[in-house]
Amino acid sequence: AQSVTQLGSHVSVSEGALVLLRCNYSSSVPPYLFWYVQYPNQGLQLLLKYTSAATLVKGINGFEAEFKKSETSFHLTKPSAHMSDAAEYFCAVTTTGGGNKLTFGTGTQLKVEL
Amino acid sequence: GAGVSQSPSNKVTEKGKDVELRCDPISGHTALYWYRQSLGQGLEFLIYFQGNSAPDKSGLPSDRFSAERTGGSVSTLTIQRTQQEDSAVYLCASSLGAGQGQRELFFGEGSRLTVL
Repeated sequence: AQSVTQLGSHVSVSEGALVLLRCNYSSSVPPYLFWYVQYPNQGLQLLLKYTSAATLVKGINGFEAEFKKSETSFHLTKPSAHMSDAAEYFCAVTTTGGGNKLTFGTGTQLKVEL
Repeated sequence: GAGVSQSPSNKVTEKGKDVELRCDPISGHTALYWYRQSLGQGLEFLIYFQGNSAPDKSGLPSDRFSAERTGGSVSTLTIQRTQQEDSAVYLCASSLGAGQGQRELFFGEGSRLTVL
């Protein structure tokens, strides 16, 4: 079985500050990991994905995430927050034996303040 | 189409009524998924279709929920005898397939269901 835990349902940062959204996964086999972003009243959009190539993955809008097997983590970061980054962020995991269905975390709502 | 299309975008119904939610995936995508997003619950997997294979129905919460995919394209999620706890946003997604490089899901904007 696979699962994802996102620590912090709400994160608030100042504009220009570092963004760090935490994701830990549980999987008995090598995982594929994803971060999705959801803006209000919209569907989910892929930010970035880890598929066993480079452990540091760069995505859209200046976001990146690092896969750390020893910590079973895939935290999402951005050096400098922008007001437009305010949204809900979901971490997700799937595996080769997972039937290709993604298991999502419960999401982290990011608020960016002036 | 250019993206995953879902209809209706909003549906208000009375408890006990049946509802149908429609999903039109991206052209050429063989895999189609339904998820349910409830407030504070994250995204809950419901059902997955891949090509002509039998669907993975392991996430359907009760026998009131069913889904079909006709002609390998459009899918309909049906909820019979709706209950208030069925109120949620139902998200549909599609992907190229099930292979290693095909696992990116493209989501529609969802159908918001409110059961009174």
